[in-house]
Amino acid sequence: QSVLTQPPSVSGTPGQRVIISCSGSYSNIGTNTVNWYQQVPGRAPKLLVYGYHQRPSGVPDRFSGSNSATSASLAISGLQSEDEADYYCAAWDGSLNAVVFGGGTKVTVL
Amino acid sequence: QLQLVESGGGVVQPGKSLRLSCTAFGFIFTNSAMHWVRQAPGKGLEWVALVSLDGTKQYYGDSVKGRFTVTRDNSKSTVNLQMNSLRPEDTAVYYCAREWEAGSFHYWGQGTLVTVSS
Repeated sequence: QSVLTQPPSVSGTPGQRVIISCSGSYSNIGTNTVNWYQQVPGRAPKLLVYGYHQRPSGVPDRFSGSNSATSASLAISGLQSEDEADYYCAAWDGSLNAVVFGGGTKVTVL
Repeated sequence: QLQLVESGGGVVQPGKSLRLSCTAFGFIFTNSAMHWVRQAPGKGLEWVALVSLDGTKQYYGDSVKGRFTVTRDNSKSTVNLQMNSLRPEDTAVYYCAREWEAGSFHYWGQGTLVTVSS
């Protein structure tokens, strides 16, 4: 059972917008920034969004992050076939003194 | 070019020990906290440990607390994970990661597989 809760899967057709939610609590999302990672099977994770909504250089602006109280979300606009991957949210938890991850969401492009 | 290279993975029997290393290239090592993250086969990411810039502070995930120890040698730009009393459920790919902005992990190693099995 992960401290941060994500839906196991989301799907969409090419060009659609999909949203992945990440639910936590005051001790993690409520007081610390959320970061999002993309992982293609067999590869190391890749940072997509940090500090709730900032993107590292090279990450398309189709990916956007937002947050509200104890939840965060990642939106993928203009869904493309190469976006098929697993996506994880993560944050520092001040009560646990640990980084906590969501269980991951598999994005399928139909 | 910034790179993290892990080594030390392999097959080990339950109850035994293993030491992983991660060597950093291409950045000022002393400017970054370093983490270990693992991923069991077919499972999600699990944070394992954090070591501070100067190595004086360490934090651990509950599942490894008391069994794993993270250290760093800034003179060699390496971070190590000493894993004792290994269990089958410790079987995973272990990644080292460099902490970046907002506590994010912007750079990851390629991962090293640890298999705990008799």
